[in-house]
Amino acid sequence: DAGVIQSPRHEVTEMGQEVTLRCKPISGHDYLFWYRQTMMRGLELLIYFNNNVPIDDSGMPEDRFSAKMPNASFSTLKIQPSEPRDSAVYFCASSLDRGAYEQYFGPGTRLTVT
Amino acid sequence: GQQVMQIPQYQHVQEGEDFTTYCNSSTTLSNIQWYKQRPGGHPVFLIQLVKSGEVKKQKRLTFQFGEAKKNSSLHITATQTTDVGTYFCAGDSGYALNFGKGTSLLVTP
Repeated sequence: DAGVIQSPRHEVTEMGQEVTLRCKPISGHDYLFWYRQTMMRGLELLIYFNNNVPIDDSGMPEDRFSAKMPNASFSTLKIQPSEPRDSAVYFCASSLDRGAYEQYFGPGTRLTVT
Repeated sequence: GQQVMQIPQYQHVQEGEDFTTYCNSSTTLSNIQWYKQRPGGHPVFLIQLVKSGEVKKQKRLTFQFGEAKKNSSLHITATQTTDVGTYFCAGDSGYALNFGKGTSLLVTP
């Protein structure tokens, strides 16, 4: 298996623009997680899905952030409008189950908002 | 909510010295996982501990889970430059997996 795939790997955009991050989980994994990593706040869970259904979005910073999972092999995280404080590395991860199973992380998308 | 605290935040050692990072939870955990992230990379799963007092070893790495299942440690014997990176613990409260902020290890040859 190719592992978790994320695109783009790097994104530079101007404040106010819409940003869409994409993720393809490992086939057969029922759980998909979106994380944000910054030096100040570490690794933060934004939202996770089980069988394409959002289960917990309490980590989503504000209404500017939205995530979808239209099918088992694709998920998006959208930021609209983007702000400089959104600059971070965004990771997608998938796992067979939520708690007792390891999470496989994608390579991440490094987002810079100027 | 549950919080997972990890110390130290940074550690700089000479190659060959030992290294330990500690993880503490405010609540009892179902299990704890450890991940390693190389500079510029993504977190990679190392191991999972489930039982109270459990100890597991992977070559020079020793992982322990506390008797009360609220703390854990990772010990590296005789560090090598390949050990450089950030080590995260992640505690499962039964509801969510909460990551600590990690310990960044720098190893000087």
